[in-house]
Amino acid sequence: KNEVEQSPQNLTAQEGEFITINCSYSVGISALHWLQQHPGGGIVSLFMLSSGKKKHGRLIATINIQEKHSSLHITASHPRDSAVYICAVYSSYNTDKLIFGTGTRLQVFP
Amino acid sequence: EPEVTQTPSHQVTQMGQEVILRCVPISNHLYFYWYRQILGQKVEFLVSFYNNEISEKSEIFDDQFSVERPDGSNFTLKIRSTKLEDSAMYFCASRGWDEKLFFGSGTQLSVL
Repeated sequence: KNEVEQSPQNLTAQEGEFITINCSYSVGISALHWLQQHPGGGIVSLFMLSSGKKKHGRLIATINIQEKHSSLHITASHPRDSAVYICAVYSSYNTDKLIFGTGTRLQVFP
Repeated sequence: EPEVTQTPSHQVTQMGQEVILRCVPISNHLYFYWYRQILGQKVEFLVSFYNNEISEKSEIFDDQFSVERPDGSNFTLKIRSTKLEDSAMYFCASRGWDEKLFFGSGTQLSVL
C-alpha cells in the first residue's frame, strides 16, 4: 500500500469549474507539499503546509493533521491548469525525505 | 524568479557506462536533492545533501550512486555503471531556510 494516496487519479473539467484533489497519507508527517508537474515534465512547488490552509491566487490548499488528509482546490479552472498535481509528504522520522503520491492528472477543457 | 539548472536535458548511454548528471542549485540555497521518475511511475527520493555531506538517502541510492558538490555551485549525481533500470527522468532540487523547494527541469537518462 502506498504511504501517500491521491484521488482521483484522473480528472477532467470544463473551464470555470471548481476542482478538488484529495491526498491521504498513512505516516506521521512534519509537512506536506503540493506540486504541479507540467506536460513537459517540469515540477513546481505550489504549497508547503504543516497545518491549516494556504491560498495563492485561484489555488487553495488545506490540511487536517488529525485525519491525515489534505485537499487542493482550484477555483475558476482554466485550460492552463491542465497538469499532474502531486502530493508529497515529509515523514516525521525522515524529515528531509519526500514521499510522493502517484499524482492526479487534470485536464481542463475550454 | 531564481531557477535550478540541470544539464544535459537528455543523456543516452550504454549499459555499464558511467554518467554524471549536473545541477546548478539556486545560489544561496543550502539543501540539495536528487529525485527520479521512471516513465509512468511516481517521483522517488534518491538523496539529500547538506553541509557537504549526505543527510539522507533512499534504498535506491546504492553504491553505484554518488553525489558531489565539487566547487560550491555545481551539484552532481554520478551513476558508476548504469543499468537498464536506471532509465528515468532525474530531477535536482534545492531549498533555502524558508523550505520552498525549487526543482530543475530534469535530465532524461536513457540506458541502452
